[in-house]
Amino acid sequence: EAGVAQSPRYKIIEKRQSVAFWCNPISGHATLYWYQQILGQGPKLLIQFQNNGVVDDSQLPKDRFSAERLKGVDSTLKIQPAKLEDSAVYLCASSLGTSGRNEQFFGPGTRLTVL
Amino acid sequence: GQQVMQIPQYQHVQEGEDFTTYCNSSTTLSNIQWYKQRPGGHPVFLIQLVKSGEVKKQKRLTFQFGEAKKNSSLHITATQTTDVGTYFCAGNFGNEKLTFGTGTRLTIIP
Repeated sequence: EAGVAQSPRYKIIEKRQSVAFWCNPISGHATLYWYQQILGQGPKLLIQFQNNGVVDDSQLPKDRFSAERLKGVDSTLKIQPAKLEDSAVYLCASSLGTSGRNEQFFGPGTRLTVL
Repeated sequence: GQQVMQIPQYQHVQEGEDFTTYCNSSTTLSNIQWYKQRPGGHPVFLIQLVKSGEVKKQKRLTFQFGEAKKNSSLHITATQTTDVGTYFCAGNFGNEKLTFGTGTRLTIIP
């Protein structure tokens, strides 16, 4: 079974530039998550989708971050404009169901450096 | 807010020694999951605990969920170099999402 795919793996941009990350979840997984993991910290949930609807985006900085899940499968997370404090690893995860009792499968992440 | 705290933040042990990390919440959890993240890698699911006082074992790893469902622990017996990584607990407060703890980074001295 193929895992969660993410691209790019690394991205370096200057502050105020825009960047987009892509995620393809495990086939058949209804729920998709985007996490931000700052060095030395635990993953912080940015947004959670069930199929193509948003379940939770309470911690998404909506003035600069946006996300969509196309046709309930792939997802894109965008930052516009980026700030220095956005430097982190952006992890995508997926699970079969939407409850907090489902095992989450993580992708390899995208390491973003903002200069 | 709903937070999950972990202690210690770092632990260095000699190979063969035991290791324990503790996870605490100020409010009752619906369930708790544990993940392991190798250096440079991504979190990988280890186990889920649901019932009050539940204890589960995976070879040298023992997981416990407190009676009040506010705390949990992971104990590794006789650590090996393959145990290196950061261990995260992730709690569900009954709101359909997981809140990850701060993590405990384990390093092994051969």
